[in-house]
Parts: sequence; structure tokens; C-alpha cells
Amino acid sequence: AQSVTQLDSQVPVFEEAPVELRCNYSSSVSVYLFWYVQYPNQGLQLLLKYLSGSTLVKGINGFEAEFNKSQTSFHLRKPSVHISDTAEYFCAVSPIQGAQKLVFGQGTRLTINP
Amino acid sequence: ETGVTQSPTHLIKTRGQQVTLRCSSQSGHNTVSWYQQALGQGPQFIFQYYREEENGRGNFPPRFSGLQFPNYSSELNVNALELDDSALYLCASRGTTGVNTEAFFGQGTRLTVV
Repeated sequence: AQSVTQLDSQVPVFEEAPVELRCNYSSSVSVYLFWYVQYPNQGLQLLLKYLSGSTLVKGINGFEAEFNKSQTSFHLRKPSVHISDTAEYFCAVSPIQGAQKLVFGQGTRLTINP
Repeated sequence: ETGVTQSPTHLIKTRGQQVTLRCSSQSGHNTVSWYQQALGQGPQFIFQYYREEENGRGNFPPRFSGLQFPNYSSELNVNALELDDSALYLCASRGTTGVNTEAFFGQGTRLTVV
């Protein structure tokens, strides 16, 4: 079984400041890792994913994430945030073999203050 | 905006009733997954359909059932509604059954059970 823990339920930051959203996971099998964003009253949009290769993954809207296998973490970062980044962010994993499902964390609400 | 559309967008039902939610997948996508997102939580996997067959199921009771049609659109049916079924129901489609391919989410159907 897999589980995902997002260590912060809410993260307030000022505009143009850097941000890190933390994600740890647990799995007995190898997994793919994902970050999704959910804007108010909308579905989920894929920000980035780690499948294999370089542990630093770049995504859309200036976000990047680093996979750390030894710490089972996949933290999301952005060097300078904008008001438009205000949203709910979800970390997710999926087993590489077997059950084809996304297992999500409980989400981190990112609030950007002017 | 993805090509995944869900209907209706909002729905209010009474406890004990039955409900059908619909999802039109993105053109060319043959795999559809359904997720339940309770308020303040991350989405939870209900089940997945590939070419009209269920090929994965999460920890949901049998009163949650689904269908996929030859055009790859899908329905989620919930019988004997309970108050805890109140949630946002998300549909996601992908071009293949492989979990490493991007899943495109619809905007969801918000179900309220009273």
C-alpha cells in the first residue's frame, strides 16, 4: 500500500518570495511521483511528474521538485511566487506495477499575500 | 482547460436515493478513472475503466458502480446514498492505461446528500 503525507496544510507567503511545499511518501514498491494543482472550483492540473532519471524535475508555471529516494520525499519549490499561484496543491504517487491509481496527500493550501 | 467534461456540476440528493454522474473523456482517451474528494481532503481513487472493463478498484463499497461506453464516456452510479457521500467527484481520462501518462481531470461534480 502507498500513503502520502503533505507536511503543511496551509502555507502563507508574500508575493515574489520563494516557497517550498513538502511531501513525504511511503510505499513498499517503486512508485511514480506527481504534483497537481487545483484552482477554486476546478479539477486537478498536472504540474510535474517524476518517472525516472534526473531527480530534479521541472514543471509548468516555474515550479520544480526534487525526488529524494533515501528520504522518500518529493518537495515542490518555486523561487518567486505570484498572486496567481494561490491554489491547493496535491502530491500523489502511483505504483509502477500493478494497481493503476493515484494516491493523493491531503493537500497544501498556498496563499500568496501582496 | 482539458477536454474532460462532467455533468452535472452540482447536485443535491436525499439520503437513500441513487445518483448517476457522467463523464465525457478527452478525444482519443480510452481509460477513465473516478475519484472522490471530500471537503478538505485529497482525492481518493474509486475505480478505473479501460475499454469498457473495470481494471482497478479502490476501497469503496459495491454500491459505487460504474460503466464505460464504446465512445469511452463513463458513468458513476451510487446507490443508497449516505451523508458521507457528499463530496466532489472527479473524473480523469488518459490516452492509455499506463499510469505514467498524464491523467486529465474534469472540473468535477459536487454532490450534496441531505
